[in-house]
Amino acid sequence: SAVISQKPSRDICQRGTSLTIQCQVDSQVTMMFWYRQQPGQSLTLIATANQGSEATYESGFVIDKFPISRPNLTFSTLTVSNMSPEDSSIYLCSVAPVNTQYFGPGTRLTVL
Amino acid sequence: TQLLEQSPQFLSIQEGENLTVYCNSSSVFSSLQWYRQEPGEGPVLLVTVVTGGEVKKLKRLTFQFGDARKDSSLHITAAQPGDTGLYLCAGETGTASKLTFGTGTRLQVTL
Repeated sequence: SAVISQKPSRDICQRGTSLTIQCQVDSQVTMMFWYRQQPGQSLTLIATANQGSEATYESGFVIDKFPISRPNLTFSTLTVSNMSPEDSSIYLCSVAPVNTQYFGPGTRLTVL
Repeated sequence: TQLLEQSPQFLSIQEGENLTVYCNSSSVFSSLQWYRQEPGEGPVLLVTVVTGGEVKKLKRLTFQFGDARKDSSLHITAAQPGDTGLYLCAGETGTASKLTFGTGTRLQVTL
């Protein structure tokens, strides 16, 4: 199994600012995933983060808006840039060490 | 784009009732997973089904993968308030563990 923590757990931000979300895993993993869950909805994959290479973004998501870092095998960050109220969501990271995905508790972001 | 449609979207039942949640797609998946998510937490994996026609049981929960590996169902027997949550199916295409999540079914079980 894998235990994942995220910081912050929640935040309220002003329009136009940026927020960096941290994801820490208790074991080394090759791939980390970042998801967005808009209010009352399901999860949408933003990007896959591999250590040592640039993140791979899904359709509709771009690096300028959601830059990702992956400095080592246990840590990743997702930045939500130039925020607008439409970015209000829960952001979750996950890992899949052995064909099973484990999710962090999520970061609940509210943009005013 | 692969879509996974879940039905129903919302379900409110009383303790002791049975229910079935469906997860349908026009795409074939190498595996399909079911998760339950409670408020303030990330989704927690319940089961993974891999083989077409496969049936797995987890206490009062029965999961089935369609023969063509395009659809799945989750049946809960004698629901309890602790079953309350958001149920999500997710299909894997075999591409680097990427998951496509279903639209979700929000279940509320009352006393």
